[in-house]
Amino acid sequence: NAGVTQTPKFQVLKTGQSMTLQCAQDMNHEYMSWYRQDPGMGLRLIHYSVGAGITDQGEVPNGYNVSRSTTEDFPLRLLSAAPSQTSVYFCASREGGLYSPLHFGNGTRLTVT
Amino acid sequence: EDQVTQSPEALRLQEGESSSLNCSYTVSGLRGLFWYRQDPGKGPEFLFTLYSAGEEKEKERLKATLTKKESFLHITAPKPEDSATYLCAVQWTSGSRLTFGEGTQLTVNP
Repeated sequence: NAGVTQTPKFQVLKTGQSMTLQCAQDMNHEYMSWYRQDPGMGLRLIHYSVGAGITDQGEVPNGYNVSRSTTEDFPLRLLSAAPSQTSVYFCASREGGLYSPLHFGNGTRLTVT
Repeated sequence: EDQVTQSPEALRLQEGESSSLNCSYTVSGLRGLFWYRQDPGKGPEFLFTLYSAGEEKEKERLKATLTKKESFLHITAPKPEDSATYLCAVQWTSGSRLTFGEGTQLTVNP
């Protein structure tokens, strides 16, 4: 199993550009989520999904959109990138409920100039 | 406000020099506490889950313990390959939020 796969690994955008960060998992996990990691701060939840067709906002959802059409894929869209969105983005999934650990991808490092 | 605080921010040890990392949290109802290891350029990797005060979990040179206000990650006779950032995360009883600490960056010198 590949686990959680994120693409691209690195991306540079100009302010106002849009892009989609891809996330795929092959573990048949119902729960998937997106986090951002910034220096001096803990991982913060952006959006999450508990199954295909179901998404909800996390702690810092502004400026990001998500959709979940399949169990495997959970893309994160930046509609109009801003320098404040410069960060490392992690996708994570888990097998069961709240007691189950998260499985993380290796991240996408995004720079917005 | 529910908070998770890790200390120290950074720790430098000599190989074989045992120490502990701390994760403290505000007491508003803990459902579970997770420890993760993160290597540079990688995503966090799960280590342990602790559910109740007094619980302990061990894996190789690592042992995690939990009290009502904090958790410790004890590292016994560390090796250079234990160098990483260690993250703790708390699952609160109020809703489904998972709050991560900022992490402790551990460096073990040979």
